[in-house]
Order: sequence, then C-alpha cells, then structure tokens
Amino acid sequence: GAGVSQSPSNKVTEKGKDVELRCDPISGHTALYWYRQSLGQGLEFLIYFQGNSAPDKSGLPSDRFSAERTGGSVSTLTIQRTQQEDSAVYLCASSSGLAGGQFFGPGTRLTVL
Amino acid sequence: RKEVEQDPGPFNVPEGATVAFNCTYSNSASQSFFWYRQDCRKEPKLLMSVYSSGNEDGRFTAQLNRASQYISLLIRDSKLSDSATYLCAVNNQAGTALIFGKGTTLSVSS
Repeated sequence: GAGVSQSPSNKVTEKGKDVELRCDPISGHTALYWYRQSLGQGLEFLIYFQGNSAPDKSGLPSDRFSAERTGGSVSTLTIQRTQQEDSAVYLCASSSGLAGGQFFGPGTRLTVL
Repeated sequence: RKEVEQDPGPFNVPEGATVAFNCTYSNSASQSFFWYRQDCRKEPKLLMSVYSSGNEDGRFTAQLNRASQYISLLIRDSKLSDSATYLCAVNNQAGTALIFGKGTTLSVSS
C-alpha cells in the first residue's frame, strides 16, 4: 500500500520567511511523528500526535515551530521566521502504535539562506 | 550517559563477513527497541524490532540485554547491498516517540 508521503521534497527559503511542510501518513495509522535530521546528526524528535489526544510538543525547539493534524490524518509543520539553523531534513513518520515501529516518509529537505 | 549511544564506525568488512553492532540506552524502563537502516540521503527504514528473547530475520539477528541496557544487531554473510548506516531506536520516557542513536556506518566491499 501507499507509504508516508511528504511535500515538498525540497524547500529553499530566505531567512525570516515562514514555511509549511506537509505529511500524509499511512492510511489507518493513528500516530504521527515529526523529526528533523541535520547533516551528520541523529534524528531529533519534534512532535507526536495520537488520535484525538493532545499532542506531545516537548521536542519543538522554539515557539517558531508549530504543527497541526487535521481530521486525524494529514499534518502540517509550520516554521515561522525561519533561521539558518533550521536547515535540515524534516521527516514525518506514522505508526499504528509505538510497539510496531514507525514508518518514515521521504522527508523535506529545508534550506534557509 | 547519552540516552541512546552507538559506535559511529565506520565498519569496513569484506563480503561474506559477519559483523555486529551494539547500542546502549540509558532508560532502564524502556520497552520498545528497533533497528533501522538508512541509506545516504534517504529516510530511515525499519529493519526489525528487537524482542526480549532475541529474534532473527534471515541473515539478521537482534538481541536485547536488559541487565546491561544494550541491544545488538548481527549481520551474517554480509552483502554489498548491506552497506548503509544502521540506527538503533528506543522509546522515550513518555512512551510517545523513539529516541534514535546517531547510527553506525557499515561498508561492505568485494
């Protein structure tokens, strides 16, 4: 079946602009996660959505970052007033439960000039 | 101690070799453990879960040692196509997400 999809695949923006990244999880997966991966670094957890529960936002690095998940499916990650240190690959994953492992989308490569 | 720690390598092995990676974790209450494979400029792909009794999938064997708080991945009869970065992942304290190691790089040569 279809995997996790993300758009855009690449985004180049200027410092100070806002960006929106989109994630479409695997159908039927109730859990959705956002991570980011900087060059040569590990995956950094950002935010977690599970069904209708309040999201776990503990990984968001600053209040410039926010995310929504509408209708329990598609999610958007918004970064306001982008900074150069926001440059990274933003990965979305979904799962039917943490014990089953997470399945990642191809990521959005964000470059802030 | 870092939450999840791996030897970055690289591990350079010839085809047919057996290679093993370890990954240590700090949270003794962790319940979910995984190995992922990540190719260059690609997303991580789930390789296998790690169960308490150990588990095998073809040439790959995963084991969990709760007493010493580490998981391991053994690859037998290495193939060129096994060349990649292997990430271990452990659930976070809240049980809401996975904490990933930075990965161990494997290079298999002919």
